[in-house]
Amino acid sequence: DIQMTQSPSSLSASVGDRVTITCRASEGINNRLAWFQQKPGKAPKSLIYAASTLQSGVPSRFSGSGSGTDFTLTISSLQPEDFATYYCQHYQIYPLSFGGGTKVEIQ
Amino acid sequence: EVQLVESGGGLVQTGGSLRLSCAASGFTFSDHNMDWVRQAPGKGLEWLGRIRERANSYTTEYAASVRGRFTISRDDSQSSLYLQMNGLKTEDTAVYYCVVVAGSGYYLDPWGQGALVTVSS
Repeated sequence: DIQMTQSPSSLSASVGDRVTITCRASEGINNRLAWFQQKPGKAPKSLIYAASTLQSGVPSRFSGSGSGTDFTLTISSLQPEDFATYYCQHYQIYPLSFGGGTKVEIQ
Repeated sequence: EVQLVESGGGLVQTGGSLRLSCAASGFTFSDHNMDWVRQAPGKGLEWLGRIRERANSYTTEYAASVRGRFTISRDDSQSSLYLQMNGLKTEDTAVYYCVVVAGSGYYLDPWGQGALVTVSS
């Protein structure tokens, strides 16, 4: 099974900061990686698929990059509504799996 | 617009059974693979399984943690997805989400609101 490792598990940042979250797959997954945002008590929201393609309606301050085993999610200028937990997920082979999550908190 | 509404959650004792439903609308349900994903309280997301569309014979895939206990099914005439859960354990306590899979394998938005299942000993 492919294991997804996110880092850091949490971070504190201020509005306007540039934030980068890393996701590493235990084996190559080409670009079959998605990123999700989840706020407390809410369902996850899809942000990015195919490692770098923004879902419709997602602000352009979000971007994704990477291929193979190493991927990043970048928020170019953190906004108040971006404080949430972020998850990566591979969809290369079964079983699909998610990273452990990165909680982005207000500094 | 995609709309997914889960139902059927509740409190059940260990060893018991429960069937979740997911009512879909706003897209051609029969054309899509569908997944179930869960989230235990305060924990991360866990993929549970997939059912493919009719063109792929409604075949299924499961996570090891639920294989043999959970069964995914669908009724395209009702645009509905189901999760039959047997032999429930306390560790199955979670919010359960149904999700639409796009042709390339990623998830469409939005997800449903989720159904809470609580397994008590």
